[in-house]
Amino acid sequence: QSVLTQPPSVSGAPGQRVTISCTGSSSNIGAGYDVHWYQQLPGTAPKLLIYGNTNRPSGVPDRFSGSKSGTSSSLAITGLQAEDEADYYCQSYDTSLTGSKVFGGGTKLTVL
Amino acid sequence: EVQLVESGGGLVQPGGSLRLSCAASGFTFSDYEMNWVRQAPGKGLEWVSYISSTGVSIYYADSVKGRFTISRDNAKNSLFLQMNSLRAEDTAVYYCAREYPYDIWSGYYPYYFDYWGQGTLVTVSS
Repeated sequence: QSVLTQPPSVSGAPGQRVTISCTGSSSNIGAGYDVHWYQQLPGTAPKLLIYGNTNRPSGVPDRFSGSKSGTSSSLAITGLQAEDEADYYCQSYDTSLTGSKVFGGGTKLTVL
Repeated sequence: EVQLVESGGGLVQPGGSLRLSCAASGFTFSDYEMNWVRQAPGKGLEWVSYISSTGVSIYYADSVKGRFTISRDNAKNSLFLQMNSLRAEDTAVYYCAREYPYDIWSGYYPYYFDYWGQGTLVTVSS
């Protein structure tokens, strides 16, 4: 069971907008720690998608955006494309164990 | 170009040992904190261990504490994970991941991974 909670799957048609939620607690997101998002295409390593709740690394399309409120965060993808089909993970820091980075269980995005 | 290349994975019997390596290039390795993250087959990501840039500070997930040892050789731009007393539940792809550095001026710790290796598979089975 993951410390951060994500829906196992979401889906959308090309061109649509989807959101993926990430719910934490007072020992991680609610404690003020930033949320980061990773995209993992099939058979590949995770890649940083969003850092510091809302920031995109160079090269990440602006179709991807992140937000944070209270103990939760969301990843939004607009203008859905077939190449967006992947697993998405949120990540933060947790105070329950020194040095502990925690992940969500991952969300499989299917482009219909 | 930042590159992280893991090696050392393979098949090992329960109770056995394995040493993973991660060769870094394209950046000043000694300036960065590093981590190991693993992913069991068909499962999500799990943080395993952290080491500071100098190797002075080290942390482990509870699931591996006392069995795994992280280390680094800054002269050889390499990160290691010594895994002992391996169990079936340690079966996973192990990734080394670079941690984005904290801001010494603001004291802000971002705690995220900006680059990942391609991973090496460790299978623990008899």
